[in-house]
Amino acid sequence: GEDVEQSLFLSVREGDSSVINCTYTDSSSTYLYWYKQEPGAGLQLLTYIFSNMDMKQDQRLTVLLNKKDKHLSLRIADTQTGDSAIYFCAESHSPRGYKYIFGTGTRLKVLA
Amino acid sequence: EPEVTQTPSHQVTQMGQEVILRCVPISNHLYFYWYRQILGQKVEFLVSFYNNEISEKSEIFDDQFSVERPDGSNFTLKIRSTKLEDSAMYFCASSGTSEETQYFGPGTRLLVL
Repeated sequence: GEDVEQSLFLSVREGDSSVINCTYTDSSSTYLYWYKQEPGAGLQLLTYIFSNMDMKQDQRLTVLLNKKDKHLSLRIADTQTGDSAIYFCAESHSPRGYKYIFGTGTRLKVLA
Repeated sequence: EPEVTQTPSHQVTQMGQEVILRCVPISNHLYFYWYRQILGQKVEFLVSFYNNEISEKSEIFDDQFSVERPDGSNFTLKIRSTKLEDSAMYFCASSGTSEETQYFGPGTRLLVL
């Protein structure tokens, strides 16, 4: 069945880059998303990428997609303490009517 | 900017009681969803709804669950007889015909005692 996996924890020093990885199994995934969740809060959409793209950059965020390996990564440049949160990747065939399959979430801790 | 709203933000109920979680999707959206997140776990799909009927539901969405769009603005999730394991954060989402993402509400935290 469809599955999305992430490493559970990542710890980085403030100012360093963070790279959060995600692997998925559904080769027909068309949309891939990154969400941020702070403690007790909802889901904040960070960015998304279409499956026909290899890379997308949005300010400090860079998303890389290796469709052959079904591997997605999120790079956060110049990581700040405010970036400490849980990051979820999610995949979908389409945002219009199709479910999202979320990953297990990566807890990012930024050390001052 | 339009947003999805959910009420209540928190609800505490006794096991066996019925609860109704309410959502107001973005006004011109046509696709509606419910997800849940048990504390410390990932977000899980429950159900999607389009054209006044369920499009897809997960194994979690058993006979104890139902959804309804009672009027042109609300979308509700009813749990008929709550169990302890229904304790979770429940997220509503909606999307339109030209959207590239689903828009998530802030969630309702349900605690079943």
